[in-house]
Amino acid sequence: ETGVTQTPRHLVMGMTNKKSLKCEQHLGHNAMYWYKQSAKKPLELMFVYNFKEQTENNSVPSRFSPECPNSSHLFLHLHTLQPEDSALYLCASSQDAQGVGLGKNIQYFGAGTRLSVL
Amino acid sequence: SQKIEQNSEALNIQEGKTATLTCNYTNYSPAYLQWYRQDPGRGPVFLLLIRENEKEKRKERLKVTFDTTLKQSLFHITASQPADSATYLCALSISSGSARQLTFGSGTQLTVLP
Repeated sequence: ETGVTQTPRHLVMGMTNKKSLKCEQHLGHNAMYWYKQSAKKPLELMFVYNFKEQTENNSVPSRFSPECPNSSHLFLHLHTLQPEDSALYLCASSQDAQGVGLGKNIQYFGAGTRLSVL
Repeated sequence: SQKIEQNSEALNIQEGKTATLTCNYTNYSPAYLQWYRQDPGRGPVFLLLIRENEKEKRKERLKVTFDTTLKQSLFHITASQPADSATYLCALSISSGSARQLTFGSGTQLTVLP
């Protein structure tokens, strides 16, 4: 186990549904990340939270809404998604998103949520 | 434009041989580079990190080189085993705003044949 837990592992939703993905880390880290992984494409960074503050939003559509209530928990709220949003959504954590010290930017990933939008 | 390329989508080698995976990048000046392993249905797992001023790093059967002049990293697995079969991702650490980001390549799927 990596110390990062994602739920649910699989999710099927219609385009009009609202659902949430959950991520929890037990590593004492201060930074958490959401990535999208589509087939044959590199991981796409979506959001970065450092010490509960959002530091990056890589032009993600507003139908994806992140929430970070504390350094251990991260949510991704989904609403009115499109079929092209179907992908593996990965959560990761690291000691510190500013990562100045060596190793602080090493990321620990959860197993992901496989999302299918019908 | 900025680009990270991993040499091939898929690489097949015979058990016991050395696997060599390539990561090339353009228009980046990364402070360091990381390699991850990803198995089907799982998230990536960190393997090795190498800094821009390091030429080579080793960990057991793994070796990584980093040539900032060529803008290339090579990842070697010696005495490969079928259990090494997985997708291997390189990732560059770059500064973006107030945070460091990892930018990933699309990966090379390695299959070690018994």
